[in-house]
Amino acid sequence: EVQLVESGGGLVQPGRSLRLSCAASGFTFDDYAMHWVRQAPGKGLEWVSGISWNSGSIGYADSVKGRFTISRDNAKNSLYLQMNSLRAEDMALYYCAKDRSGGSGYFDYFDYWGQGTLVTVSS
Amino acid sequence: QPVLTQPPSSSASPGESARLTCTLPSDINVGSYNIYWYQQKPGSPPRYLLYYYSDSDKGQGSGVPSRFSGSKDASANTGILLISGLQSEDEADYYCMIWPSNGGVFGGGTKLTVL
Repeated sequence: EVQLVESGGGLVQPGRSLRLSCAASGFTFDDYAMHWVRQAPGKGLEWVSGISWNSGSIGYADSVKGRFTISRDNAKNSLYLQMNSLRAEDMALYYCAKDRSGGSGYFDYFDYWGQGTLVTVSS
Repeated sequence: QPVLTQPPSSSASPGESARLTCTLPSDINVGSYNIYWYQQKPGSPPRYLLYYYSDSDKGQGSGVPSRFSGSKDASANTGILLISGLQSEDEADYYCMIWPSNGGVFGGGTKLTVL
């Protein structure tokens, strides 16, 4: 059974940093691209960032480019999101999502999702 | 990144069909993209439903009933999710998504109410 478990969310002041983690199990982690998707309270979905199976292809939404860094550790079956210079508009539930493909050359659909970790940005 | 336009809400009665639309900006040709559809119910993560590129290139998510189907209206530059034989359990938010060259983009979502 595929499981994606996010952690690392919490309350953080504007301008500070936070690192999210996603522990994956139930599939061969290093075969697939992975993503972070967020959802502000009462709002829609926003793709944040994606990374291919070997970290060779990485993409970011314009809204986080230059502030967020996605990474993965295939030996630990883990995905990460380093979030710097946090803003009020970054407050959201952050989902870890598995791509259906390896992400070499293209990303595809998200076939499994975690339950999310909540990031609150407030002074 | 482009904006995909979805009507905020839609409603239909059980047994009827619901046609949910996702309109691409005029500078992006719907014919060039896979249109992905996701369903989200309150308190749950989204669920992948299907993708549609053409009648010969489409795919259904695992366990997704065949009454969910996709299509395109090229004249309107729009992707379409058709849900036939509506059931109360279909009441949810529905999101479309595409992959332009600079990253993934979701539509704003449509809240479907089954009356």
